[in-house]
Amino acid sequence: QVQLVQSGAEVKKPGASVKVSCKASGYTFSNYAMHWVRQAPGQRLEWMGWIKADNGNTKTSQKFQGRVTFTRDTSASTVYMEMRSLGSEDTAVYYCARVGGYTYGFSTWGQGTLVTVSS
Amino acid sequence: DIQMTQSPSSLSASVGDRVTITCQASQDINNYLHWYQQKPGKVPKLLIYDASNLETGVPSRFSGSGSGTDFTFTISSLQPEDIATYYCQQYDNVFGPGTKVEIK
Repeated sequence: QVQLVQSGAEVKKPGASVKVSCKASGYTFSNYAMHWVRQAPGQRLEWMGWIKADNGNTKTSQKFQGRVTFTRDTSASTVYMEMRSLGSEDTAVYYCARVGGYTYGFSTWGQGTLVTVSS
Repeated sequence: DIQMTQSPSSLSASVGDRVTITCQASQDINNYLHWYQQKPGKVPKLLIYDASNLETGVPSRFSGSGSGTDFTFTISSLQPEDIATYYCQQYDNVFGPGTKVEIK
C-alpha cells in the first residue's frame, strides 16, 4: 500500500535551517508530485508547495518563496523540504502528502514531523 | 488568489443529529473541492473528493455536494467518533479555516 514515512521531530534555534524528509513506498515514485502542508499549533492546514518526482519541478506558495526549497532523491524515493531562517512562527507539524490517482485530493499523508523553533 | 470561507467555525450537536458544514469559494472552482477530517493529534484524512465522491472506506453517513462556489458537507447521523475538525480544500490547494465538531 502507498506509504509516506517522515523523519523525526526537530528542535531548532531561531535563524537556523531544518530539512525534513519523506520516504515514499508502495507506488512508482516518479509518477506523482509530493505536496507539503504545515499546521501550527491550533491553526488550520497551510499548503506550502509541491515537487514533481519525475523532473524535480517545484511550485511554492508565495508565503514561503525564497525561504523553502523542495528537492528529491529518486534513487531513494524520498523528497525533502528545507526551510531557512526559522522563526518561532515556524513551529508546526509538517506533513508530506500525495494526491490519489483518481483525484487531486490528498489521499495519503505522512505521519507528520514536529519542528519546534525555540531559543 | 482564491479565498475559502467555511462555516460555522464550530458546532455542538447531539449523537444522531444531522450536521451540515458549508464552504464557499471566492470564484468558480468547478467541483474541485475536497473535505478532510482531522481528529485531535492525528493526520488529516480525505473523506470526500471532487465535491461529492466518497473516499473508499469512509462511512456512508458522510456526504458532499455543490459546484461552482458553494459546497456543503453533511454528516447524516453524528456519531461519537466523528468528533474532529473538518476542512475543505480547493483545487489550488488552499484549505478553509476548519469547523470543529463537538458532541452536545
